[in-house]
Amino acid sequence: AQSVTQLDSQVPVFEEAPVELRCNYSSSVSVYLFWYVQYPNQGLQLLLKYLSGSTLVKGINGFEAEFNKSQTSFHLRKPSVHISDTAEYFCAVTPPPGSSNTGKLIFGQGTTLQVKP
Amino acid sequence: KAGVTQTPRYLIKTRGQQVTLSCSPISGHRSVSWYQQTPGQGLQFLFEYFSETQRNKGNFPGRFSGRQFSNSRSEMNVSTLELGDSALYLCASSLGQAGRTDTQYFGPGTRLTVL
Repeated sequence: AQSVTQLDSQVPVFEEAPVELRCNYSSSVSVYLFWYVQYPNQGLQLLLKYLSGSTLVKGINGFEAEFNKSQTSFHLRKPSVHISDTAEYFCAVTPPPGSSNTGKLIFGQGTTLQVKP
Repeated sequence: KAGVTQTPRYLIKTRGQQVTLSCSPISGHRSVSWYQQTPGQGLQFLFEYFSETQRNKGNFPGRFSGRQFSNSRSEMNVSTLELGDSALYLCASSLGQAGRTDTQYFGPGTRLTVL
């Protein structure tokens, strides 16, 4: 079985400062990793994903994440945040193709990013 | 291309009633998944449908059911509503390609309130 832990429930940061949102996962098999963002009263929007290849993944809105297999982490970073980045961020995993649970996203509890002026 | 649409966006029901939520996937997508989002439990997988067949199921009681039509549109039904069923219900669609992990695209959700 897989599980995801987002280590911070809230992250306050000032505008134009860098930010890192932490995500650790647990799995006995390889997984695919995703970060989604949810703005108030909206659904989830995909920020980026790691399936294979380069461990540094770039996404939309200037976000990037690094997959670290030895530390089972997939932390999300942005060098300079904007007020508009205020939202809830979710890390998720899914087993690779061939698994009986392929397509089932397992989410962390979410991290609320609060960008202050 | 239009995104995933869900109807209705908001719904208020009373305990004991039943409810049906609808999801229209992105054109060409054949897989539809449903998730429940609550403040206490977070985002939890309900079930996934592909080509009108349930392909995967989460750990929810039998009161939660779903179906998919030949045009890939999906509905989920909750019978005998309980207060704890109050949640945001999210639908996600993906291409559903065999042997590949697809990106899931989410709709805006249906906010269900049970009184």
